[in-house]
Amino acid sequence: DSGVTQTPKHLITATGQRVTLRCSPRSGDLSVYWYQQSLDQGLQFLIQYYNGEERAKGNILERFSAQQFPDLHSELNLSSLELGDSALYFCASSVPRTGTAGYTFGSGTRLTVV
Amino acid sequence: GQSLEQPSEVTAVEGAIVQINCTYQTSGFYGLSWYQQHDGGAPTFLSYNALDGLEETGRFSSFLSRSDSYGYLLLQELQMKDSASYFCAVLNTGGFKTIFGAGTRLFVKA
Repeated sequence: DSGVTQTPKHLITATGQRVTLRCSPRSGDLSVYWYQQSLDQGLQFLIQYYNGEERAKGNILERFSAQQFPDLHSELNLSSLELGDSALYFCASSVPRTGTAGYTFGSGTRLTVV
Repeated sequence: GQSLEQPSEVTAVEGAIVQINCTYQTSGFYGLSWYQQHDGGAPTFLSYNALDGLEETGRFSSFLSRSDSYGYLLLQELQMKDSASYFCAVLNTGGFKTIFGAGTRLFVKA
């Protein structure tokens, strides 16, 4: 157990639907990062939050949004889902906001859009 | 823009040494990290280099040359359990986001 908790572990939903992925960072970590990993692909950076504020954005689609709450947990909202959104979605957290000590990843949410 | 290049696959024999190279192009560079990911698992942090030179952690070492925009991960005394994907990742200036390469799949054979 890495200390980063992601729920749900698996999600199957239909095209056009909306889902919410949840992440609780490791205790004491203020930064949360979201990544998307499609089959046999690298990790695509989506967005970073630090202590409730958005700090950096990657190639996140407009259909996707995220937020970090006062208790530091984060949610990634995916709407108008398409088949191509099927992927593993990872959340990671780190202590320093710059991530120089490395990120701790959760076990991921496997999203399947049918 | 930014890009990272690393070999897609490497095969080595148990007990051997293997080097996984990574070259990067980025508009701002803060440091280079390496992560390991087993099939179906989460990436795990291996090392971070901000300055030129070699960092050693047990059987794994990581090297960085900022002037050459190049780094490598060296795995010694390979074990079957080292079979996994290895990602180099660039931490951008400001340190707010880490961009990952496509990964190198390492196969360790008996």
